[in-house]
Amino acid sequence: DAGVIQSPRHEVTEMGQEVTLRCKPISGHDYLFWYRQTMMRGLELLIYFNNNVPIDDSGMPEDRFSAKMPNASFSTLKIQPSEPRDSAVYFCASSLASVGNTEAFFGQGTRLTVV
Amino acid sequence: KQEVTQIPAALSVPEGENLVLNCSFTDSAIYNLQWFRQDPGKGLTSLLLIQSSQREQTSGRLNASLDKSSGRSTLYIAASQPGDSATYLCAARKYGNNRLAFGKGNQVVVIP
Repeated sequence: DAGVIQSPRHEVTEMGQEVTLRCKPISGHDYLFWYRQTMMRGLELLIYFNNNVPIDDSGMPEDRFSAKMPNASFSTLKIQPSEPRDSAVYFCASSLASVGNTEAFFGQGTRLTVV
Repeated sequence: KQEVTQIPAALSVPEGENLVLNCSFTDSAIYNLQWFRQDPGKGLTSLLLIQSSQREQTSGRLNASLDKSSGRSTLYIAASQPGDSATYLCAARKYGNNRLAFGKGNQVVVIP
């Protein structure tokens, strides 16, 4: 397996524009997570899915953020409208749910810059 | 809410020295704890995962210990090399779900 795949790797956009980040988890993994990393706050969990169903979105900062998982092999994180304070690296991760085997694997991240 | 702390935030050591990185967590009801490595501009690479029932895990020069009752984990890297320079993050997984709470990391520089 190629691991967790995220696209794009880098995104520069103007304030007010819509941004869509994409993630393909490892095949067979039950859980998918979206994290945001900044210097000030470190890694923060935004939302996670179990079997394509959103379980906990309490980390989503505002209504401008939304995430979907239409099938087991694809998820999106959308920001509309984007603001400069959304600039960060966004990571997607996936893991199995089986007892004793919940190791999380991360993608390479999308570096988002909102100007 | 689980709070994970890593101290020191940054450290430099000469090549060959053993590295000791500390991680503390406030809620001892964890399912397991995972150590990651992050290189600049890259994603996170999983190093070791310790189950709550385990005391330690080893992989090559890396050894991670876990003391759940005191809310601590330590990552030891033996005979450090310049290639070990990176940021090391620990993350505690809560019991009952798969949620990971991260520390802010230990940024390590190994000086040749």
